[in-house]
Amino acid sequence: AQKVTQAQTEISVVEKEDVTLDCVYETRDTTYYLFWYKQPPSGELVFLIRRNSFDEQNEISGRYSWNFQKSTSSFNFTITASQVVDSAVYFCALILPNSGGYQKVTFGTGTKLQVIP
Amino acid sequence: NAGVTQTPKFRVLKTGQSMTLLCAQDMNHEYMYWYRQDPGMGLRLIHYSVGEGTTAKGEVPDGYNVSRLKKQNFLLGLESAAPSQTSVYFCASRGNSGTYNEQFFGPGTRLTVL
Repeated sequence: AQKVTQAQTEISVVEKEDVTLDCVYETRDTTYYLFWYKQPPSGELVFLIRRNSFDEQNEISGRYSWNFQKSTSSFNFTITASQVVDSAVYFCALILPNSGGYQKVTFGTGTKLQVIP
Repeated sequence: NAGVTQTPKFRVLKTGQSMTLLCAQDMNHEYMYWYRQDPGMGLRLIHYSVGEGTTAKGEVPDGYNVSRLKKQNFLLGLESAAPSQTSVYFCASRGNSGTYNEQFFGPGTRLTVL
């Protein structure tokens, strides 16, 4: 069975601080994909990044960076110099592809980030 | 492009009433999904569709029915609403050029069943 654990339920940081959101996953499959989504207070889900199981390169996009480590089954997300607009719930998701087109998607329970001005 | 849209945005039902949630996408996506989001539980898949005229059950299908008569629309029905179906419902779609494409989500429908 697949599982995604986001142990941090809520995090509060002061603006300009760096913050890391943890994501630990479990799967027996060797091919899988990991995603991060952002859910701002307005409620919509915004795609941030995907990573496949064969690509352990870390990625940086502006103030956002992701650290994928298969050895620890983790896909952590760091926001550098946080801003109030980063306040949101962040979801990590594990996706197993299937030839029938069905993506077995397992979402974590989310981490609510509050950035205090 | 409007992307994925959902109608209505909010709804309050009484126990036993029925309703249909409409999801529409204008990206010509093959695959569409209905999720529910409950506090502390992330998103759970209700039903999904891999193409026009097809539907299949997800993790939590009981109490819901779906239909995909047109490629761009995916309807979620509640025949007899129960308080346990109070939730935020998200529709999503994805393209068919690879199994790892991200899902695009609609804005959500907040449903309260009294």
